Amino acid sequence: GEDVEQSLFLSVREGDSSVINCTYTDSSSTYLYWYKQEPGAGLQLLTYIFSNMDMKQDQRLTVLLNKKDKHLSLRIADTQTGDSAIYFCAVGNNDMRFGAGTRLTVKP
Amino acid sequence: DAGVTQSPTHLIKTRGQHVTLRCSPISGHKSVSWYQQVLGQGPQFIFQYYEKEERGRGNFPDRFSARQFPNYSSELNVNALLLGDSALYLCASSLEWVTGELFFGEGSRLTVL
Repeated sequence: GEDVEQSLFLSVREGDSSVINCTYTDSSSTYLYWYKQEPGAGLQLLTYIFSNMDMKQDQRLTVLLNKKDKHLSLRIADTQTGDSAIYFCAVGNNDMRFGAGTRLTVKP
Repeated sequence: DAGVTQSPTHLIKTRGQHVTLRCSPISGHKSVSWYQQVLGQGPQFIFQYYEKEERGRGNFPDRFSARQFPNYSSELNVNALLLGDSALYLCASSLEWVTGELFFGEGSRLTVL
C-alpha cells in the first residue's frame, strides 16, 4: 500500500472548520509536515510537527499527531475562500514521502 | 530575503534530449533536495545533497543525476529524456540535513514531446 494516504477531496463552507486527515506507515520520521499548493505554484510550508509532540497550534492551524495509529490531521479554523488549494501531508527525514494531496474547496 | 529560486521556470524538450535544472537555496541553507511531481500526484523524492555530498537517493534511474556546488546551489541533470519525465521538478532547501523547516521553490515545469 501507499506510504502516505490522504482523502482526495474536501468541500466546506466559508467560516467552517476544515479537517484534513493523513495516515502513514513509516514511524521513524522525525518531522511530519503539511504543505499547501495553489494551481501552477510550488509547495508552501504551512506547518510541521516534531514526532514527539501530540499537538501544535499556529494561528488558524492545528496539527494533531497520533503516533500509535500513525494518523496526522490538519485543522483549519474559520476557513476562507483563499484557503482553497491542494494540501499535502509529508513524512520522512531527509527523504520525504508525500501523500497524493487533498483538494480543499471552500464555498462562499 | 529571497526564497528558493529555480530556473528555468518552463522548458520543452524532445525525447532523447538532455536537460539541466538549476536551484539556488535560501541564503545560509546547506541542504538541497530535488523532487519530481507528476500532474495529479504528490512529489517524489529524487536526491538530497548536504554540504556538497549526496545524502539520499530516491527510486529513480541512473539517467537522473545531481550535484551541489561550493556555494550550495545545485543542478539536476536528466539524460535520454522520456515522455514520462514530463513533470514539475521541485527544489527544496533547508539549513540542516533533517529539519522541520524545509522550503520549496516554485519549480521547473518540464514538458517532453
